[in-house]
Amino acid sequence: SAVISQKPSRDICQRGTSLTIQCQVDSQVTMMFWYRQQPGQSLTLIATANQGSEATYESGFVIDKFPISRPNLTFSTLTVSNMSPEDSSIYLCSVVLAGGLETQYFGPGTRLLVL
Amino acid sequence: EDKVVQSPLSLVVHEGDTVTLNCSYEVTNFRSLLWYKQEKKAPTFLFMLTSSGIEKKSGRLSSILDKKELFSILNITATQTGDSAIYLCALGGGTSYGKLTFGQGTILTVHP
Repeated sequence: SAVISQKPSRDICQRGTSLTIQCQVDSQVTMMFWYRQQPGQSLTLIATANQGSEATYESGFVIDKFPISRPNLTFSTLTVSNMSPEDSSIYLCSVVLAGGLETQYFGPGTRLLVL
Repeated sequence: EDKVVQSPLSLVVHEGDTVTLNCSYEVTNFRSLLWYKQEKKAPTFLFMLTSSGIEKKSGRLSSILDKKELFSILNITATQTGDSAIYLCALGGGTSYGKLTFGQGTILTVHP
């Protein structure tokens, strides 16, 4: 297994501002993902974070709203831009460990409230 | 489009009961089915199933996959209050390796 950390663990933000969430892993990983979980909902994949290149976004998510960086194998950031109350969610990063087939392990999550 | 449907959506039981959670799916190019437990924020991995008819077991939890009928079940015996959580089923398949499609989850509440 691996230790996955996310910062911040929670935040309260004003509408129109941006928040950057960090995800750090202590092991070698092959893939990293970012998810959103809106209140009472299941997990929705935002994008696959690609090392050294642009992320691959799912339908309904765009780079201008959710810019993602992955400068190396074990670190990624997700920015939620120009926030509105509808962005209030839990944001989760997940990783697939080297040799781990498709099993994804999740970070502790960031609970975001936008006022 | 890949699809994962879990049932029931919620379940309330008493300690000591046995529960069965269901996950049915539709997918092209099935690779794996995974179960997760989500208590607060982060889902924690329980099982990964790739072969039909082989039971995975960990303590009081067990899971089995039926690739012919396209479903999986998660059993929890002798439930405890600590089993109260959302149980998520996720599907690995299609053309994008590594990506998972999640079901809506089953909310399990275990009363003392």
